[in-house]
Amino acid sequence: DVKVTQSSRYLVKRTGEKVFLECVQDMDHENMFWYRQDPGLGLRLIYFSYDVKMKEKGDIPEGYSVSREKKERFSLILESASTNQTSMYLCASWGRRGEQYFGPGTRLTVT
Amino acid sequence: DQQVKQNSPSLSVQEGRISILNCDYTNSMFDYFLWYKKYPAEGPTFLISISSIKDKNEDGRFTVFLNKSAKHLSLHIVPSQPGDSAVYFCAAMGGSEKLVFGKGTKLTVNP
Repeated sequence: DVKVTQSSRYLVKRTGEKVFLECVQDMDHENMFWYRQDPGLGLRLIYFSYDVKMKEKGDIPEGYSVSREKKERFSLILESASTNQTSMYLCASWGRRGEQYFGPGTRLTVT
Repeated sequence: DQQVKQNSPSLSVQEGRISILNCDYTNSMFDYFLWYKKYPAEGPTFLISISSIKDKNEDGRFTVFLNKSAKHLSLHIVPSQPGDSAVYFCAAMGGSEKLVFGKGTKLTVNP
């Protein structure tokens, strides 16, 4: 059974902290994605990776970076958390064309 | 510029009736379209897809219709059930491995 896991379901951080969100998939997928979901804005792509050590910016990469050292793991990094980064963060990996498998999400609150 | 638009933020229908969710797109390069369903506190799950070479795809109670000339697609759920209550996202892709999502429509099916 397909599985995408995210390191935390809920996270509270302070402004200025460095935040790591981790995502692991067990399907040997090459493509992985990080989105954020905000009310009224839908899902917006932050970064994606199509191979180990390869990454591409999505639509809203500012304030974020990513790391993909192993195929199964894709990390999202908030270098210096700000309150406008309070959001639901969703990781996904690529199945058949377009059919992304999503993790359960991490609700991040920055205070 | 919003390339995928879901103009109805919410929709309410009675159990047993038809639910019709609509989606418009602007990018002529899109050639594959998908619908995702999302329950609160969970990641989105893939529901159904359609290629631009087709105008209809059916899977059980779910049917997606594509009108390329109008750049419009719709998801029909018949009959609607209370368990279908969720947020539905329309997504599109073409020319890259990125999905572009709409903002979502919250469907409520009343018993």
